[in-house]
Amino acid sequence: AQSVTQPDIHITVSEGASLELRCNYSYGATPYLFWYVQSPGQGLQLLLKYFSGDTLVQGIKGFEAEFKRSQSSFNLRKPSVHWSDAAEYFCAVGASGTYKYIFGTGTRLKVLA
Amino acid sequence: DVKVTQSSRYLVKRTGEKVFLECVQDMDHENMFWYRQDPGLGLRLIYFSYDVKMKEKGDIPEGYSVSREKKERFSLILESASTNQTSMYLCASSFTDMAKNIQYFGAGTRLSVL
Repeated sequence: AQSVTQPDIHITVSEGASLELRCNYSYGATPYLFWYVQSPGQGLQLLLKYFSGDTLVQGIKGFEAEFKRSQSSFNLRKPSVHWSDAAEYFCAVGASGTYKYIFGTGTRLKVLA
Repeated sequence: DVKVTQSSRYLVKRTGEKVFLECVQDMDHENMFWYRQDPGLGLRLIYFSYDVKMKEKGDIPEGYSVSREKKERFSLILESASTNQTSMYLCASSFTDMAKNIQYFGAGTRLSVL
């Protein structure tokens, strides 16, 4: 069965520091992969997606993610975090042939001034 | 821009009441989804619809029903609200075309059942 693991429930970084949020998935074939961000009290906004092709994908707000098939990972990175990046981040997997996603449990990011 | 609109941001209801949560999308998407979000559990799919009057159960359908009479509107119904249905509810929509399989979300409805 498909599953998504975000091993870090909370992460705290200082403003200007680099960031990496981890996401591991379990799926037999190449999945569709997504990262979403949720600001407090808001819905989810798509940061970036991977369907096929180049394994390093660029998203909005300066985020990028790398698909590593051998590690079943799709980690989200940002070279320099801004205070406005404080939010909850969700990784999701979509299987080929289905419209449904499986979401991870989320990582809450805190940014120190 | 894609717009998914949920009719209420906050709702307070009493146990046993019938509750309707409404969602409208303006992108002519075929698919619409209802999720429930709880701390530490992420998003869990309640129901989704791939066409008008068509629906499929998600992972946690018990205690909920849905209605899709028009393509742009998808309603979540709590027939008899209970305190364990206090949660954040998120609606999403997407195209059927797998190459465009991106879900767009509304702002959410925070429901409290007292």
